[in-house]
Amino acid sequence: DVKVTQSSRYLVKRTGEKVFLECVQDMDHENMFWYRQDPGLGLRLIYFSYDVKMKEKGDIPEGYSVSREKKERFSLILESASTNQTSMYLCASSLTPGNTIYFGEGSWLTVV
Amino acid sequence: AQSVTQPDIHITVSEGASLELRCNYSYGATPYLFWYVQSPGQGLQLLLKYFSGDTLVQGIKGFEAEFKRSQSSFNLRKPSVHWSDAAEYFCAVGGGYQKVTFGTGTKLQVIP
Repeated sequence: DVKVTQSSRYLVKRTGEKVFLECVQDMDHENMFWYRQDPGLGLRLIYFSYDVKMKEKGDIPEGYSVSREKKERFSLILESASTNQTSMYLCASSLTPGNTIYFGEGSWLTVV
Repeated sequence: AQSVTQPDIHITVSEGASLELRCNYSYGATPYLFWYVQSPGQGLQLLLKYFSGDTLVQGIKGFEAEFKRSQSSFNLRKPSVHWSDAAEYFCAVGGGYQKVTFGTGTKLQVIP
């Protein structure tokens, strides 16, 4: 079975902290994604990676960075967390960018 | 640019009633089309997908969707809704190396 695992389901961080959200997939997919989901705004793409060490900005990259050192692992980094980054973060992977996307369970981040 | 419209933000149906969720898309070539379901606090789960072939697609949990090229639609249907179907439903369009675009979702409420 396809599996995308987000290591932290619930996090509470302070304003200004550096935050790491980790994601691992076991499907040998080239493509991995980080989305942010907020009520009424749907899914918004933060960053996309199409290969190891390769990344592309999505719709809302400001305040975020990513790291992909290994094919199976894609990390989202909030360099200095702010309260407006309180949200649900979803990691996902796919074989090709337009193909079936498989999602993790999500990480709920609260910044206080 | 590709886009997806889900015109209904909220839908309420009675348990046992039939359901149809609407989805219209804009895409320059033959699309890949998807429906996902999201239970509260969870990630998105694939319900069904259309790549080619038979335009009536069967999915999990008794759902089906019909691709109508002339109407640029991919509506989701279920003949008899169960209380456990209460969730948010997302339509999405993609294709090959074009990244998948999601609609803003339809929240389904099921009343006894």
